[in-house]
Amino acid sequence: AQKVTQAQTEISVVEKEDVTLDCVYETRDTTYYLFWYKQPPSGELVFLIRRNSFDEQNEISGRYSWNFQKSTSSFNFTITASQVVDSAVYFCALSGGAAGNKLTFGGGTRVLVKP
Amino acid sequence: DTEVTQTPKHLVMGMTNKKSLKCEQHMGHRAMYWYKQKAKKPPELMFVYSYEKLSINESVPSRFSPECPNSSLLNLHLHALQPEDSALYLCASSRSQGADGYTFGSGTRLTVV
Repeated sequence: AQKVTQAQTEISVVEKEDVTLDCVYETRDTTYYLFWYKQPPSGELVFLIRRNSFDEQNEISGRYSWNFQKSTSSFNFTITASQVVDSAVYFCALSGGAAGNKLTFGGGTRVLVKP
Repeated sequence: DTEVTQTPKHLVMGMTNKKSLKCEQHMGHRAMYWYKQKAKKPPELMFVYSYEKLSINESVPSRFSPECPNSSLLNLHLHALQPEDSALYLCASSRSQGADGYTFGSGTRLTVV
């Protein structure tokens, strides 16, 4: 069975600080897909990034960056120079392999950015 | 159109009522999903439809009845719900295998009284 663990339940930072969200996953499959979603208070899940298991290249998109390491089964997410609008719950998720298109979520990390 | 539209946004229903949640997408996605999310918890999968056929039912009680009338529409029929069923119900869609990502709607906040 697939499992995603986000050990940090809540992180509080002051605006302009960097924040890193940890994600550790478990799967027996060799082909799988990892995702990060943002959920603001409005409730909608906003897609941030997708990574497949064969692509370990790190990615940067504006103030967001992701570090995928298969050796440690981790897919961490960093927000650089955080802003108040970054306050939300962030979910790491996993799909693929034997689970097919079933998306398994981690418990989520609530990020609070204070002005 | 790159959105998943859910209606209504809010719903309050009594335990003896029958109501339906609706979800619509026009992205040509052939897989559609219902998720249930309780406060401060991650979304939990309820049902998956693939090519308009139910492919996954995560042992959901029969008081929740999904329906996929066509490739763009997904309904969730509700009957005789309990107060503990109060939650945010999220609909999502994806290409057939989901590898390209999942698009979520903004959800229906359901309160059962």
